Amino acid sequence: ETGVTQTPRHLVMGMTNKKSLKCEQHLGHNAMYWYKQSAKKPLELMFVYNFKEQTENNSVPSRFSPECPNSSHLFLHLHTLQPEDSALYLCASSQDTNPRVDTQYFGPGTRLTVL
Amino acid sequence: GESVGLHLPTLSVQEGDNSIINCAYSNSASDYFIWYKQESGKGPQFIIDIRSNMDKRQGQRVTVLLNKTVKHLSLQIAATQPGDSAVYFCAEDNSGGSNYKLTFGKGTLLTVNP
Repeated sequence: ETGVTQTPRHLVMGMTNKKSLKCEQHLGHNAMYWYKQSAKKPLELMFVYNFKEQTENNSVPSRFSPECPNSSHLFLHLHTLQPEDSALYLCASSQDTNPRVDTQYFGPGTRLTVL
Repeated sequence: GESVGLHLPTLSVQEGDNSIINCAYSNSASDYFIWYKQESGKGPQFIIDIRSNMDKRQGQRVTVLLNKTVKHLSLQIAATQPGDSAVYFCAEDNSGGSNYKLTFGKGTLLTVNP
C-alpha cells in the first residue's frame, strides 16, 4: 500500500446525480493532487493543493469541484457529469510539489462510470 | 507542440528476457523525466527518474537511457519477471521545477509470459 486511500473504488452515477470522491493520505504530506486517467489517453492533472490551498486548476470544468479541508484529506465533488467524464480518477500526495524533490504517491483510484 | 508518446502500445516478453520500453518527447526544453509503473487495479508508481544532464541512470534491474539529440527516452528492465507485467509510461517536466507541470505519455502494456 502507498499510504493513499481512495473511496469509493467504483462508482456508477447518472448525469443528474451528485456524488463525491474521497482521498486520504497517511504520509504527512503537504500537497495533494487529483488526476484523470481515461482509456487511451495520457494521465491528466486536474487540481493541485499545497498546504490546503489550491495552486493549480488545469482548466477543469466547473462540474468538478475540489475541496481540501486539511492536508490529509481531499475531495472531488461531482455534479451534472457527462458520459465522457467516465474515467479512473486518481489522487496523489507528496511532501513538496516539485517532482524533482519529492515523489508523488498515488492512491488506487476511483473507477467512475457516468450513465 | 509539446507531447510525450510511446512507440509501442504493447510489449510481450518471455520471463527472464530483457525488456525495452520507449518514449519520445517533442519539447526540447524538457529537462527532467520520470518512468512510472501501473499495475492493474493500482495507481502509478515511481520507478526511476533522470535529469537532462545525464545520459543513463541505473536502478535495481532497471536502466533509463536518455538521448537528447533525438528526444528519446527508454526504460530497460533486466531479467523480466511476471511481477513486472504492468503499464509503463513516462513523464516529462519542462517547468524547470518552478511550477509543477508534468506531461505524461499514454503508456505501454508489458506482458511477461512464464
